[in-house]
Amino acid sequence: EADIYQTPRYLVIGTGKKITLECSQTMGHDKMYWYQQDPGMELHLIHYSYGVNSTEKGDLSSESTVSRIRTEHFPLTLESARPSHTSQYLCASSEYVGGYGTGELFFGEGSRLTVL
Amino acid sequence: TQLLEQSPQFLSIQEGENLTVYCNSSSVFSSLQWYRQEPGEGPVLLVTVVTGGEVKKLKRLTFQFGDARKDSSLHITAAQPGDTGLYLCAGSNSGTYKYIFGTGTRLKVLA
Repeated sequence: EADIYQTPRYLVIGTGKKITLECSQTMGHDKMYWYQQDPGMELHLIHYSYGVNSTEKGDLSSESTVSRIRTEHFPLTLESARPSHTSQYLCASSEYVGGYGTGELFFGEGSRLTVL
Repeated sequence: TQLLEQSPQFLSIQEGENLTVYCNSSSVFSSLQWYRQEPGEGPVLLVTVVTGGEVKKLKRLTFQFGDARKDSSLHITAAQPGDTGLYLCAGSNSGTYKYIFGTGTRLKVLA
């Protein structure tokens, strides 16, 4: 059972609002990730973190920002939401296994965002 | 940018049939993983393959990593309705912490 939690599960907001999607894990993993996924489609990496105070942008350009002040917490913030931000956002963590770059990704249940 | 293309994109089959899903790239990966995702949930890891030519079996599922570590396949024998879901391959390389996901295959198994 994965110990990674996302809130809120569902959020409907108006254009221009600021939102923060929360992600917490209790596994002590250094690596954390945010993926964006449209229903039934592939996952696009938008942010990742190697550890505390370390964040990088992913392959998909995103207007969101992230922070990593504590190992267990990796929130994602949108300063001014737009309808184009409507999507599902998945948070994940992993314990990197050196040598092959392996390590199981543990996902939260996702936050489904709708911007009107 | 490394890309992973999966085929087919959609697959609807009858219970008991066999199927194969492919994951292809022009890039080499140190390891490749397969995940299954059900509606409303995050993906769950099925297997990790790390050696070119490696074959792993998980009950009715057989996974293979290509010799050149650029491609992989997932074969399901005697599919069951419980196999229904979105199957995703994901590649990573040693020295990076990024997992690149494939385009996904949506499987529906009809009873």
